[in-house]
Amino acid sequence: DAKTTQPPSMDCAEGRAANLPCNHSTISGNEYVYWYRQIHSQGPQYIIHGLKNNETNEMASLIITEDRKSSTLILPHATLRDTAVYYCIVRVARGGADGLTFGKGTHLIIQP
Amino acid sequence: DTAVSQTPKYLVTQMGNDKSIKCEQNLGHDTMYWYKQDSKKFLKIMFSYNNKELIINETVPNRFSPKSPDKAHLNLHINSLELGDSAVYFCASSQGPTLGNTIYFGEGSWLTVV
Repeated sequence: DAKTTQPPSMDCAEGRAANLPCNHSTISGNEYVYWYRQIHSQGPQYIIHGLKNNETNEMASLIITEDRKSSTLILPHATLRDTAVYYCIVRVARGGADGLTFGKGTHLIIQP
Repeated sequence: DTAVSQTPKYLVTQMGNDKSIKCEQNLGHDTMYWYKQDSKKFLKIMFSYNNKELIINETVPNRFSPKSPDKAHLNLHINSLELGDSAVYFCASSQGPTLGNTIYFGEGSWLTVV
């Protein structure tokens, strides 16, 4: 399984863009990059995912490098409610079925 | 309406008891999952069912038995509870089991074994 490496914690000022990096240097060509977050005492929340191209939705943008060995999740205007643990996950198919393998994630703290 | 709902949200029980956690999804998804988050906050997949059939079964003690009466439900039965079973259990679902299908999580069930 492709592993991911994320910084354990990051701070960001409220209203600024939060840029969360993730390294996945062993990713395979058919593996997706997913981002989830978990706000304290809640279930993991899907944010965005991508394969090769950059993606954007109402929550965030995902920038994937051309070699796919790293990616960056961008929260364009961070608010206090964005304080959470953010997980970068490379999704692996096993025999036609798959799940999500969570690492330790990045604890993003939005400062007022 | 909550897309993936679990009951109970909190459960405190004694060692040796048998308990169940129920999960229902109203998204029309074919695939459902159980994840466990331990005290160190690591989230690990336990089981996955697709169209009521077991497709992922990680190394989980036999005391844990998932049951899927229909595609919208995946219940988790735990026999002879042990202190180490204390954790948060998350149910989840997706349209299908394969890559590209987003997995949506419930709010979790906090199990404490005393």
